[in-house]
This record gives sequence, structure tokens and C-alpha cells, in this order.
Amino acid sequence: GAVVSQHPSRVICKSGTSVKIECRSLDFQATTMFWYRQFPKKSLMLMATSNEGSKATYEQGVEKDKFLINHASLTLSTLTVTSAHPEDSSFYICSARDTSGAQETQYFGPGTRLLVL
Amino acid sequence: DAKTTQPPSMDCAEGRAANLPCNHSTISGNEYVYWYRQIHSQGPQYIIHGLKNNETNEMASLIITEDRKSSTLILPHATLRDTAVYYCIVRDFQGAQKLVFGQGTRLTINP
Repeated sequence: GAVVSQHPSRVICKSGTSVKIECRSLDFQATTMFWYRQFPKKSLMLMATSNEGSKATYEQGVEKDKFLINHASLTLSTLTVTSAHPEDSSFYICSARDTSGAQETQYFGPGTRLLVL
Repeated sequence: DAKTTQPPSMDCAEGRAANLPCNHSTISGNEYVYWYRQIHSQGPQYIIHGLKNNETNEMASLIITEDRKSSTLILPHATLRDTAVYYCIVRDFQGAQKLVFGQGTRLTINP
């Protein structure tokens, strides 16, 4: 299947700093990417839909000024957690839509584990 | 998107077929059934999807009932590496395109 990468795989930061997470589709172009976060022993929660060349669409309850999303190219979307606090510690996962085949499929990255101290 | 219902957990012996059920009684005509799995501390992995016909690939088979209100994912010869949380998701192919995850089924393959 198609490959989606994330960088970094894990990050530890101090409270109040900002953290940028990159999501790349390695062997296909993705006009749409998605950002999720997952707390321990919980399911994935969709945060926002990232659209190449336009503003992201955020799910209800997700602060757009807190979680900045940029989708500047067809293979890269970034999520920046601004002024991070310990409650932002979570597993952040992106996915990308692959529309190149006969049927569309979404592929997920390996996730980024964020720990805010 | 239609809500799905899955058992919270299941066990299966190594080498046997694992049959994971999913109910999606409110599914509409243009909604597909997708299956993903998540192994601990990794991103979800795509398994298979279908609309109304049964589907098979190298990983699994998907059996969808004729009324489309339920489906079963079949792992024909389960191995220890198939231990994971399996998510059944119903999604409108023409709609918002987003996948909304439920709680899934935690499948444990026992030696």
C-alpha cells in the first residue's frame, strides 16, 4: 500500500513552546489530508481536514488557533501545536487520501507521540 | 456517516480463522464499509473496503450481508501479529471523505 510518513516520531517539549509535526505522502499526491489525535486506550479522534491550497476544516471543539494546519503542497501537511500544555500530550496521527487508483483509499502515518512537560 | 457497532473484544486461536462482526444498520446506499486495524502504538493500517459485493485481498475477506446492514471481516489464518484493534467504518464516498473511528474490536490471537 501507499506510504505516509510523519516527523518526528516522538517529541518532548516544555510547556508554552510550539511543536510542528510533518505529514508526507511519499508515493502519491494528496489534495486532502486528515489529522487525528489519540489518548491512551481511546479511539482516534478527528481533529481537522487539511486541504491543499486552502484553509483547513476543523471539527467541533478543536481550536484552530491552537492547532495550526498548513497544507502547502500535494505531499506535505503540517500541524503546529502552539503554546503547548501538558494536556496536549497525545499521539497525533495523520492520514492522506490516495485518489490515484481505481478506488480511493486513505493511508495513515505511523503517528507522533507528543509529551509536554 | 452511519454509526457502526462492534464487540469490544474477541479472542482467536493462532492458525484459526478470525471472524470480526460489524453492525451498520443505518447505512445508506452510497456508503462504503471500510476496515482498518491498529497495532499498539502505530498508525491505523488499511485492510479492505467494499460497497455491496464480497471482497477479498491478500490480507482478509469482507463479507457484506445482502441488506448491507452488517458485515464480517475474516482473517483466514490468524497469526500472533494480527493482534490489534480492528475498526469498522462506514463512509460516504461522495461526502466529506473523512473517516470517523468508533471504539473498534480488540482482537487477541492466542498461541
